[in-house]
This record gives sequence, C-alpha cells and structure tokens, in this order.
Amino acid sequence: GAVVSQHPSWVICKSGTSVKIECRSLDFQATTMFWYRQFPKQSLMLMATSNEGSKATYEQGVEKDKFLINHASLTLSTLTVTSAHPEDSSFYICSASPSDITDTQYFGPGTRLTVL
Amino acid sequence: GEDVEQSLFLSVREGDSSVINCTYTDSSSTYLYWYKQEPGAGLQLLTYIFSNMDMKQDQRLTVLLNKKDKHLSLRIADTQTGDSAIYFCAEASRGGGNKLTFGTGTQLKVEL
Repeated sequence: GAVVSQHPSWVICKSGTSVKIECRSLDFQATTMFWYRQFPKQSLMLMATSNEGSKATYEQGVEKDKFLINHASLTLSTLTVTSAHPEDSSFYICSASPSDITDTQYFGPGTRLTVL
Repeated sequence: GEDVEQSLFLSVREGDSSVINCTYTDSSSTYLYWYKQEPGAGLQLLTYIFSNMDMKQDQRLTVLLNKKDKHLSLRIADTQTGDSAIYFCAEASRGGGNKLTFGTGTQLKVEL
C-alpha cells in the first residue's frame, strides 16, 4: 500500500514551452501533497505544499506564476512548469501525506525534466 | 532556518555495519526520518523515530537519537551491495505543517 506515482517519468522539452507533471496517490487519499526539486548530487528542496481544494503554499524564492500547482482531488496534484528554460532542468519529486496519517509522506518516483 | 547536515560519502565492505550520521539544528523537531534513494528514483522511507525516543530497531536498521546533541544516526547491520544508495535524514518540526527539511544526503557504497 501507500504508492505514489508520477507521470511522466522523464520529459524533454524546448525552451519556452510548458510542462505538466502529475502526482497521484494510488491507494490512499491525500489531503496534502508536497513538491520538491532536486539538483544532481544535492538534497531535496521543498518548493510548495499543495492542499486539496485550496491554493498551494510556496516556499520563499519559488515563483508561483512559474510553477503552477493544482490539487483538484484527494488523489491528484499537478505541477506545471510554465515557459520552461534550461535552468528549470531538474528532478522533480512529489510526496503525499495520507489524510489519516499526516505525519508520514510517501514519495513518488520522480520526474526528470530536461529543457533544451 | 533549519539546517540538517550529513557527511557526503561512506564506503564499507559487504557484511560490515554501516553507520550514517546526521546533525540538525531545530530543537522543536517532532519526528526524524531516514530515506533511501537509488539512482534515478524517488525516496523510500526506511524508518523514523519520534523525538522522545532514544533508539528504534527494525530488522537490520537501528536508529539512535541524541536529542541533547541533536545527533541522529542510522546503523545498517550486515550491509549488502543492494544497500548502496544515497541516504537522507529529514526532520519535521512542531508547527511546521508536516514539512520536512532534508539533510544533504550520504552516498553509501558497499564494496565486495
């Protein structure tokens, strides 16, 4: 149980295009999902906290107009990287907290974004 | 803000024990976690410890917490080649809204 999926697993896009990444909790409901960014050989940096039915809370320094987050249901959150540029290339990982076990986060497998 | 530090690299021989260390600064930490990340993959929760505990053992894994020194360690007994990965400690602080602050990650290499 407690499986989180991400789609796509790897995406390559041209500079200036927008990319949507999906995060799904497959066998549990998640009121809260988190989006992280990880650069090569570095730790995870929290970008934003996504709450179902409300606006996401962004960490300091993260542009909310650049990284659009939508948490429309208890099993799906999406991150859209708008007008992507090469510096947005990174590994994006989501996690989900079960609605009844809020101290625990289950992580997705990650999405590797390469912007040319 | 909170700071979580780990050594970058650890190399051990198969069958030996591995000890990965982590220090943190937030005295209001409630839970501390250990995650494993294999190349190109997401994070796998290995174990966690509540801040009022000193030790937790789960099969080959032993977590020790020294709250006074803000020091957390993960001991892997009988380390196998499949244990080679990057290990992250993370802390959740009281009032942090379940947000995790991750350490810098320790790459464990298990040699034959």
